[in-house]
Amino acid sequence: LAKTTQPISMDSYEGQEVNITCSHNNIATNDYITWYQQFPSQGPRFIIQGYKTKVTNEVASLFIPADRKSSTLSLPRVSLSDTAVYYCLPTPGSARQLTFGSGTQLTVLP
Amino acid sequence: DAGITQSPRHKVTETGTPVTLRCHQTENHRYMYWYRQDPGHGLRLIHYSYGVKDTDKGEVSDGYSVSRSKTEDFLLTLESATSSQTSVYFCAISESMALYSNQPQHFGDGTRLSIL
Repeated sequence: LAKTTQPISMDSYEGQEVNITCSHNNIATNDYITWYQQFPSQGPRFIIQGYKTKVTNEVASLFIPADRKSSTLSLPRVSLSDTAVYYCLPTPGSARQLTFGSGTQLTVLP
Repeated sequence: DAGITQSPRHKVTETGTPVTLRCHQTENHRYMYWYRQDPGHGLRLIHYSYGVKDTDKGEVSDGYSVSRSKTEDFLLTLESATSSQTSVYFCAISESMALYSNQPQHFGDGTRLSIL
């Protein structure tokens, strides 16, 4: 089971770049790494996904080192509306293990 | 946003009563999931479905049952609700299994269930 470890919380200021790192030491060879964002009273929303190296889309970048034991979500120039909980989720080897960790509460300050 | 509707959005009931939550999708996705979210635990998988009448257990399935008679509907039932089942319940869907694939899950907005 690729158990994940993320910081519980992070604070940032508007306009800054934010990097959230997730450790997944037991990730399996075929696992992808997916990041989700969750606002209060809403379900998680897909942000980005990757397998190795770097992936970039219109909202974020995902960096995955060669050993794949961690991944870093990078949010460029955050705004107040980026305040949310962010989860990383390696696709596990068993559906029974499809469990999100506690995530990282990002608070963006003015 | 993916077409996922959960009902009801809020419910308060008493211990020992049966409760059924409904998830309805308009995306024709094969896979559907039920999660619960509690403070300090993130989201935990209760049950999932990989097709009509095909379901399997997740990490925290005790006390819950599910049914899927149509592609678009996935029901979660608490046969005899207990206070420990007070939680926020989320339904999710995906085109292919969220294992061994790069197909992300899409989530509904949740049902807040309080059992007194």
